[in-house]
Amino acid sequence: EVLLVESGGGLIRPGGSLRLSCAASGFTFSGDSMNWVRQAPGKGLEWVSWISPDGRTRVDAKSVEGRFTMSRDNAKNLLFLQMTSLREEDTAVYYCATIPMVRGGGAYWGQGVLVTVSS
Amino acid sequence: DAVMTQSPLSLPVTLGQPASISCRSSESLVHTGGQTYLNWLQQRPGQSPRRLIYQVSNRETGVPDRFSGSGSGTDFTLKISRVEAEDAGVYYCMQGTHWPYTFGQGTKLEIQ
Repeated sequence: EVLLVESGGGLIRPGGSLRLSCAASGFTFSGDSMNWVRQAPGKGLEWVSWISPDGRTRVDAKSVEGRFTMSRDNAKNLLFLQMTSLREEDTAVYYCATIPMVRGGGAYWGQGVLVTVSS
Repeated sequence: DAVMTQSPLSLPVTLGQPASISCRSSESLVHTGGQTYLNWLQQRPGQSPRRLIYQVSNRETGVPDRFSGSGSGTDFTLKISRVEAEDAGVYYCMQGTHWPYTFGQGTKLEIQ
């Protein structure tokens, strides 16, 4: 069974930092690119970041560029999102997900973790 | 950025009736390699999203054949031939041809 389990969310003050983790199992983690996608309360989906299977290439949304850093540990099947200089508009449920574009199958989503940025 | 515009944003449908959602991109989604990376996702209430359709018209394994995707270039459509109760939720188109990846605003399908 494929599982993606996010953790590390919580309440944080504006300007603060937080690191999200995503533990993957049930598939060949090191062979897949990964994404973070977020969803503000009652809103739609927003793509945040992408990382290549070997972790050497990343792409970020403009809204988080320079503040968020995605990384991965293929030896431990872990994905991370280091978030700094957090703003109230970063409040959202954050999902880790595989969304392969070039093939079917292998599209998995975690259950999401809530990050609330508020004073 | 490729702006994805869905319509309608709210779609009330009677059980057993068809439904159709449109997704229009601000730029062509044909990749330089010739493929079109347009996906459709479903998010049921209280659940994580799941992908229904990839590359415009290919159903994921396990997706009922009442779901179909079509389109090309900048205009795409998701159709449900006969809506069932379990189809209630929000549907998103998502493009993966251009960076950054972008989603449509979502279409809320409500069963009447």
